[in-house]
Amino acid sequence: GQQVMQIPQYQHVQEGEDFTTYCNSSTTLSNIQWYKQRPGGHPVFLIQLVKSGEVKKQKRLTFQFGEAKKNSSLHITATQTTDVGTYFCAGPKGGGNKLTFGTGTQLKVEL
Amino acid sequence: DGGITQSPKYLFRKEGQNVTLSCEQNLNHDAMYWYRQDPGQGLRLIYYSQIVNDFQKGDIAEGYSVSREKKESFPLTVTSAQKNPTAFYLCASTRDANTGELFFGEGSRLTVL
Repeated sequence: GQQVMQIPQYQHVQEGEDFTTYCNSSTTLSNIQWYKQRPGGHPVFLIQLVKSGEVKKQKRLTFQFGEAKKNSSLHITATQTTDVGTYFCAGPKGGGNKLTFGTGTQLKVEL
Repeated sequence: DGGITQSPKYLFRKEGQNVTLSCEQNLNHDAMYWYRQDPGQGLRLIYYSQIVNDFQKGDIAEGYSVSREKKESFPLTVTSAQKNPTAFYLCASTRDANTGELFFGEGSRLTVL
């Protein structure tokens, strides 16, 4: 079945450093979504990418969808303590909007 | 304010007992989902419903049951047949059953004693 893997599993950075998480699917995705989950909280939608090679930016966050639509990345420039949390990618599996979530990357930011 | 309400937030259960987790949404969304999250892991789909009176099994439906009698409500029952029920349960909804972002509730944390 479809699998979505993310690397790294954990990342510790100093505040101000950049951070990148990578998402890889075993199958081609029609779209990919990214979510952020703060410690003790629930996932919150960040963005959806649909087009091959698409790049979208949200302030310090840059999202990219691969040309083959099987991989994606999230890059954070100059991390802040507010960026702490776990970042998940998710892609539709089968028909409808059933999302398969990646394993997540837990980001910790130290002062 | 519109949103998804899950209750209870914390629940303790003895082995062998069934427990029902509530999920209510006032977003007028068609589709609703239940996910399970274990520590340090991603979300796994338990059940989903694209329309009232219809629902389908997700990847880990064994030991769980659901109903969708009203558009606003999608309760999840964790039965005694679920071998490892201790987990964080998340309910979500989407406006369109075929696409779109998931809106999540705040979750219910179930602990089996």
